[in-house]
Amino acid sequence: SQQGEEDPQALSIQEGENATMNCSYKTSINNLQWYRQNSGRGLVHLILIRSNEREKHSGRLRVTLDTSKKSSSLLITASRAADTASYFCAAVGSRLTFGEGTQLTVNP
Amino acid sequence: DGGITQSPKYLFRKEGQNVTLSCEQNLNHDAMYWYRQDPGQGLRLIYYSQIVNDFQKGDIAEGYSVSREKKESFPLTVTSAQKNPTAFYLCASSFRAGFDSGELFFGEGSRLTVL
Repeated sequence: SQQGEEDPQALSIQEGENATMNCSYKTSINNLQWYRQNSGRGLVHLILIRSNEREKHSGRLRVTLDTSKKSSSLLITASRAADTASYFCAAVGSRLTFGEGTQLTVNP
Repeated sequence: DGGITQSPKYLFRKEGQNVTLSCEQNLNHDAMYWYRQDPGQGLRLIYYSQIVNDFQKGDIAEGYSVSREKKESFPLTVTSAQKNPTAFYLCASSFRAGFDSGELFFGEGSRLTVL
């Protein structure tokens, strides 16, 4: 079954630095989505990239998709303490499958 | 404002009891989903519904049941047959049916603890 798997599991950086999270999946997809979850809360959709797209931007977020390597990355530029959260990728094909997430901590 | 409302936010259950988690949406979405999240892990699909009066098992449906009698409501019952029910439960919806229909909108979750 397809599965999103994030790397690293945890990331700790200083405010102002960039944060990069990676996601790998196993089968062909229609699109790949990234979500954010604050502790004890629901998930919030951040960005969707379709299988025929290679890069997409939204504010301080930049997502890339490499279908030949079955991988995606999420870059958060100029991070802020408020970006502290868990980030999940969701690979979407015949099903939508979430990875186990990256816990990002941005230290002030 | 439109959104998804889950209740209760916290729930305690004794072993052997059934409990029902509520999920209501006013987004006029066709599809609704229930996910389970264990500490430090991703989301696993329990059940999903693409249209009223129809629902499908997800990856971990054993010990759970659902109904979809109204478009806006998709309650989840955690039965006594679920061996390890302590978890964080998330309800979500999407505009159209089908997993490639676009983004999911999530509720704030219900945390179930078995005493």
